[in-house]
Amino acid sequence: GAVVSQHPSWVICKSGTSVKIECRSLDFQATTMFWYRQFPKQSLMLMATSNEGSKATYEQGVEKDKFLINHASLTLSTLTVTSAHPEDSSFYICSARNRGRGNEKLFFGSGTQLSVL
Amino acid sequence: EDKVVQSPLSLVVHEGDTVTLNCSYEVTNFRSLLWYKQEKKAPTFLFMLTSSGIEKKSGRLSSILDKKELFSILNITATQTGDSAVYLCAVPNTNAGKSTFGDGTTLTVKP
Repeated sequence: GAVVSQHPSWVICKSGTSVKIECRSLDFQATTMFWYRQFPKQSLMLMATSNEGSKATYEQGVEKDKFLINHASLTLSTLTVTSAHPEDSSFYICSARNRGRGNEKLFFGSGTQLSVL
Repeated sequence: EDKVVQSPLSLVVHEGDTVTLNCSYEVTNFRSLLWYKQEKKAPTFLFMLTSSGIEKKSGRLSSILDKKELFSILNITATQTGDSAVYLCAVPNTNAGKSTFGDGTTLTVKP
């Protein structure tokens, strides 16, 4: 089955530093990847849609300069949290859609728990 | 704006009970509805429903879609502690390419 790998699974950083999270589709090509933020006991909050070779589409209220998304290939998207602050601490998760037919099914990465001190 | 509403938000049952989770939706250009299970980290796919009245089944889990009344249900029979998870309902927006997720139902199955 389709596998999405997300790294790192957890990261602790100091306030003001930047953190990069990678999302890779291991056995399929993902034309579209999605980045979510999830708070404890809440559902997935879509942050942005990442399309290979083009600029990401951000949801309302999400700062694009704060959360930089790059989707340089059909198998890799990255989310960089720039100048992280404690309020950015959260669980970040990516998902990918297969380029092939019936591609409405999403395959999720295992998530990244970010803690900003 | 697309909307997906799940109920109940949380549910506590004992092993062996049967549960029904609900998902109603209001979306433009509906094509499918998907159910996912999230235990600790990554949500995993359960079902994709596209046609009304056709039950999808996988072991003790089953789901059905009603496109006239705009809802879906997910049934779990003979629940086990391993069924404890957050169950997410999602409807893709075929124009925007993204999915609208419900708030999820947190199911706790006690021994």
